[in-house]
Amino acid sequence: EIVLTQSPGTLSLSPGERATLSCRASQSVSSSYLAWYQQKPGQAPRLLIYGASSRATGIPDRFSGSGSGTDFTLTISRLEPEDFAVYYCQQYGSSPRLTFGGGTKVEIK
Amino acid sequence: QVQLVESGGGLVKPGGSLRLSCAASGFTFSDYYMSWIRQAPGKGLEWVSYISSSSSYTNYADSVKGRFTISRDNAKNSLYLQMNSLRAEDTAVYYCARARPRPPPGAMSHFDYWGQGTLVTVSS
Repeated sequence: EIVLTQSPGTLSLSPGERATLSCRASQSVSSSYLAWYQQKPGQAPRLLIYGASSRATGIPDRFSGSGSGTDFTLTISRLEPEDFAVYYCQQYGSSPRLTFGGGTKVEIK
Repeated sequence: QVQLVESGGGLVKPGGSLRLSCAASGFTFSDYYMSWIRQAPGKGLEWVSYISSSSSYTNYADSVKGRFTISRDNAKNSLYLQMNSLRAEDTAVYYCARARPRPPPGAMSHFDYWGQGTLVTVSS
């Protein structure tokens, strides 16, 4: 099973700042089958990025994904008030074993 | 618009059973793989199970294998999760989510739509 480790656990930033979230895999994720989700309190997760770098429908271009192999990054170029949330990465390259990272909370500084 | 609505959650005693349902609308249900994902209170996301579009492929997390059964009825646009021998550690919000198939056959993809979830509490 591929283990995904997200860092940092919590990121304290101000609106307008740049956020860089890391997701590291214990083994190479084939074909960059990695996705990022955003979850706000009391809500279901929302798909942001799939295939490591493709934005999902309706996702603003301030969100971008990059990386390959074992190291992946989600970048939010300028934080908006609605971006403060928890972010999860997920790999689906080793299907049928799907795994999520433990999450990174982006909080207001 | 795509809608996924879960139901069937509730309070159940350890060792008991529960059946979750997910009603889908706004898309051609039979074209998509479907999955259950859970989230224990204050914790992260855990994939539970998935089923292919025609029910040919199913898979389960080790933590639920042999106790949970996923199924679907494409004529009713519905997904199900039969949960038996429930344990305290199964307490969570259970989400159903949609995924496009990808090669090879039986392989899962990312989850592009999620329901709002249904809470399952296992406690005596």
